[in-house]
Amino acid sequence: QSVLTQPPSVSAAPGQKVTISCSGGSSNIGNNNAYWYQQLPGTAPKLLIYESNKRPSGIPDRFSGSKSGTSATLAISGLQTGDEADYYCGTWDSGLSVGVFGGGTKLTVL
Amino acid sequence: EVQLVESGGGLVQPGGSLRLSCAASGLTFSTYWMQWVRQAPGKGLVWVSRIKYDGSITNYADFAKGRFTISRDNAKNTLYLQISSLRAEDTAVYYCGKDHWGMIDFWGQGTLVTVSS
Repeated sequence: QSVLTQPPSVSAAPGQKVTISCSGGSSNIGNNNAYWYQQLPGTAPKLLIYESNKRPSGIPDRFSGSKSGTSATLAISGLQTGDEADYYCGTWDSGLSVGVFGGGTKLTVL
Repeated sequence: EVQLVESGGGLVQPGGSLRLSCAASGLTFSTYWMQWVRQAPGKGLVWVSRIKYDGSITNYADFAKGRFTISRDNAKNTLYLQISSLRAEDTAVYYCGKDHWGMIDFWGQGTLVTVSS
């Protein structure tokens, strides 16, 4: 049972847009920035979005993040087959003094 | 370029101990908090522990308190995770990461720990 709640799976066709939600509480997302990670099969996670809506160098602007209250959202536009991966949200929980992750969302590009 | 390279994983019997290492390069290691995260086979990411740049503050997930010890040697640019009384449920890939406001911005490639008799 993860502290942050994500849908287990999402799917969309190539070229379309998909959003992945991440729901938390007042002590985690409500009080801190959200981070998003992409994990391709058999590889380590990679940072996609930091501080809720910022992209690291090298991440295409097809990937965007937002936060509102105790929820965060990752949007991926112009879907490509190479985007098929597991996506995780995470943040710091100030009340528990621990890091917390969502359970992960598997993206399928049909 | 930041590089984090974990080592020390392997097959361990239940009840045994292990020390994982994470060698860092491409960053001023002594100025960054660092973290450990694990991932059981086929499962999601689970946060394990975090240590301040000077080693003076550590945080642990509830499951890690008492059996896991995070430490660092800034002279060697190396992060450690000591795990004792290993259980089957500790079987996972263990990743080290450079901390960014309580999360990770750079990840190592991971080291697999398998607990089995």
